[in-house]
Amino acid sequence: EAQVTQNPRYLITVTGKKLTVTCSQNMNHEYMSWYRQDPGLGLRQIYYSMNVEVTDKGDVPEGYKVSRKEKRNFPLILESPSPNQTSLYFCASSLTGRNSPLHFGNGTRLTVT
Amino acid sequence: GENVEQHPSTLSVQEGDSAVIKCTYSDSASNYFPWYKQELGKGPQLIIDIRSNVGEKKDQRIAVTLNKTAKHFSLHITETQPEDSAVYFCAASGDSGNTGKLIFGQGTTLQVKP
Repeated sequence: EAQVTQNPRYLITVTGKKLTVTCSQNMNHEYMSWYRQDPGLGLRQIYYSMNVEVTDKGDVPEGYKVSRKEKRNFPLILESPSPNQTSLYFCASSLTGRNSPLHFGNGTRLTVT
Repeated sequence: GENVEQHPSTLSVQEGDSAVIKCTYSDSASNYFPWYKQELGKGPQLIIDIRSNVGEKKDQRIAVTLNKTAKHFSLHITETQPEDSAVYFCAASGDSGNTGKLIFGQGTTLQVKP
């Protein structure tokens, strides 16, 4: 089944403790992206990657890192999480990124205390 | 900056009625407009999209219209069913479509009453 898989689904952590949210897609998509969803704000792009070894900042990149060492994986790294990063996170992928449909994972709900 | 406004934020209809959700966008270079449906505990799922060279697109009970001059687009759901209840997001392409960026609206919670 074609899908985007995120792990974990739920994560509770404390301020300053580094964490990684994994994302993997099995559709051979070139483009991958991370969004965060907050009430009343819709989805906002954190980082994106047009292809392997190519990553760039979205609208809200502060406090996040990503890497794209292989086509299928696009982990999101929070080096020193803070409470304002408490949110629902979605990984997404598309064939080319250029006006092609985005496929989303089922989300990771992160709470930072 | 790039912005998409979506209205209404909540919408309640009776089963069988129609539902309309409207969005306006700010970037005149936007040329791709997808709509997503998000059910509880799941990620957004694409339900229909439209490109700027088309004014209307229909897929069974769902249709989208686009007015590029006025920079607004709408989702129309006819003969609504309880399973249509969800949060709906509109989006418009940003960065002239070159980076895959989508600017999302704030979302509309649709409730279809049986």
